Amino acid sequence: DADVTQTPRNRITKTGKRIMLECSQTKGHDRMYWYRQDPGLGLRLIYYSFDVKDINKGEISDGYSVSRQAQAKFSLSLESAIPNQTALYFCATSDGGGPGNTIYFGEGSWLTVV
Amino acid sequence: SQKIEQNSEALNIQEGKTATLTCNYTNYSPAYLQWYRQDPGRGPVFLLLIRENEKEKRKERLKVTFDTTLKQSLFHITASQPADSATYLCALVRETDSWGKLQFGAGTQVVVTP
Repeated sequence: DADVTQTPRNRITKTGKRIMLECSQTKGHDRMYWYRQDPGLGLRLIYYSFDVKDINKGEISDGYSVSRQAQAKFSLSLESAIPNQTALYFCATSDGGGPGNTIYFGEGSWLTVV
Repeated sequence: SQKIEQNSEALNIQEGKTATLTCNYTNYSPAYLQWYRQDPGRGPVFLLLIRENEKEKRKERLKVTFDTTLKQSLFHITASQPADSATYLCALVRETDSWGKLQFGAGTQVVVTP
């Protein structure tokens, strides 16, 4: 089983709908992240969380919200989806800060907004 | 504005040869530079990290160099194999940034033919 699990893996939704992407991890890591990947662009950080009570905006947080329900769970919500939020979304985790801590990515969630 | 550039053209290389990828950055002062491998439909997988005060790092058939004067990192795959075919991403972290706040390049696809 994957250490970082994302659900759903694929979703098509309509403009204006609310959609939630869920992430769970079995690595026992405190830090969790949500990234977005678009063709021709690098991954961009949406939100990150250092623990259940510490949530921070990343580079492109507008139009998104997150919830850290438990150490192992970090969900990303699009309150009112729009077509330019069509992208591949990745959840990631790390055990702590600093170069000794590898960042582990999930398998990704493809989201299409029509 | 900050920019991280990787060659957008795919690198086609014959098995056994050395593949060399470039990561250039501007308006950025990274303390660490990482390289990831990404297979189609999968999340990035960490390969190597190099610090700003390190010139070179090796891991098996992989070698990374980091030249802060040229603002460039080179990533080499020696004795390349078809299994090395993937997209390779560079990612930078500044000393003042929280770990996990990676700035990614868009990646370069490598295709190794037998």
